[in-house]
Amino acid sequence: AQSVTQPDIHITVSEGASLELRCNYSYGATPYLFWYVQSPGQGLQLLLKYFSGDTLVQGIKGFEAEFKRSQSSFNLRKPSVHWSDAAEYFCAVGGTGRRALTFGSGTRLQVQP
Amino acid sequence: GAGVSQTPSNKVTEKGKYVELRCDPISGHTALYWYRQSLGQGPEFLIYFQGTGAADDSGLPNDRFFAVRPEGSVSTLKIQRTERGDSAVYLCASSRTDRVGETQYFGPGTRLLVL
Repeated sequence: AQSVTQPDIHITVSEGASLELRCNYSYGATPYLFWYVQSPGQGLQLLLKYFSGDTLVQGIKGFEAEFKRSQSSFNLRKPSVHWSDAAEYFCAVGGTGRRALTFGSGTRLQVQP
Repeated sequence: GAGVSQTPSNKVTEKGKYVELRCDPISGHTALYWYRQSLGQGPEFLIYFQGTGAADDSGLPNDRFFAVRPEGSVSTLKIQRTERGDSAVYLCASSRTDRVGETQYFGPGTRLLVL
């Protein structure tokens, strides 16, 4: 069965600091990997996705993520966090085996001034 | 262009009542998904349509939940005899598939509260 683990429930960083959110997945076939962001009371906005090819993918708002097959990881990074990045971040896995996405439980990001 | 829309944005009902939640997908998207997000959790899959038919309904928790997509566009999620445990945000997503893979785009959700 497919699963996603986001080990950090809550992270606090200072504005301007770098950020890394962790995501580990389990999937029986070739995974499609996604990061979504959710602000309070809002739906999910796609930040970036990985299907194949270059393992470092760039997304919106200055985010990037790196797919590491050997570690079953797809960590999200940003070199300099802005106060507006405060939100909940979800990692998800899907693919050709099962089209429905499986989500992690999320990481809530708080940004200190 | 217009994104996925969901109505109502909020719904309060009493235990035992029937509710319908509506989803309007992005024009041209053939696949449509329903997810449920409980407080403090990630979304959980309920059902997926390809066109008019339910291609995968393995996530529906029981037979009180039912969804339709009669013309392959708008979808309605129906919940009978609501229970307090059904309180959650119900998210709809539609998707497009390009030459490399499928991307799901989400609506703002319907927040259901069962009293």
